[in-house]
Amino acid sequence: SAVISQKPSRDICQRGTSLTIQCQVDSQVTMMFWYRQQPGQSLTLIATANQGSEATYESGFVIDKFPISRPNLTFSTLTVSNMSPEDSSIYLCSVGHGGYQPQHFGDGTRLSIL
Amino acid sequence: KNQVEQSPQSLIILEGKNCTLQCNYTVSPFSNLRWYKQDTGRGPVSLTIMTFSENTKSNGRYTATLDADTKQSSLHITASQLSDSASYICVVSANRGSTLGRLYFGRGTQLTVWP
Repeated sequence: SAVISQKPSRDICQRGTSLTIQCQVDSQVTMMFWYRQQPGQSLTLIATANQGSEATYESGFVIDKFPISRPNLTFSTLTVSNMSPEDSSIYLCSVGHGGYQPQHFGDGTRLSIL
Repeated sequence: KNQVEQSPQSLIILEGKNCTLQCNYTVSPFSNLRWYKQDTGRGPVSLTIMTFSENTKSNGRYTATLDADTKQSSLHITASQLSDSASYICVVSANRGSTLGRLYFGRGTQLTVWP
């Protein structure tokens, strides 16, 4: 299975600032996704990171708030912009090849906004 | 509305005992159902994947069952170990006609195994 490295693993940020989270995979993957996991809640898909084109965002998430890059088949970044305390959460990168194959998750970035 | 409900929300058992976690879903059209284990501070790890035609699937001490007619699944853990303490997440994939279905996540069951 794919090995996924997420950086940073955790951070504490000031209100109004932005943070970029990196996701590096040890092999080329078809699909890359970004999720948010809030305490006691289910994972919520933010967007699908598309290689060479704009990300596909889910309802409730916009590019201005969560810009995503995917320059190649092994790397993606998620930026959380103009952060507020409501953005405090765990952000997870996930990869998959579609169909019945399992998605593999990174260990997440634990983000706290003061 | 496509939903995945898990029960119980939390569970405490003694080491060596068995337990069963439940998952009910309303996702349609159904593609497959997955169980993930998420250790504290880690990302979810896939345990099993079952398609419509599969009733049961095992992965070591973990056995998942699926009743597609009643839209219910269970995850049975045999002879629990301290390392089984984790959140277990039920995930249902909807068939969107593409190679990758949309995933619907339950909130998870937090299992604690005591020595």
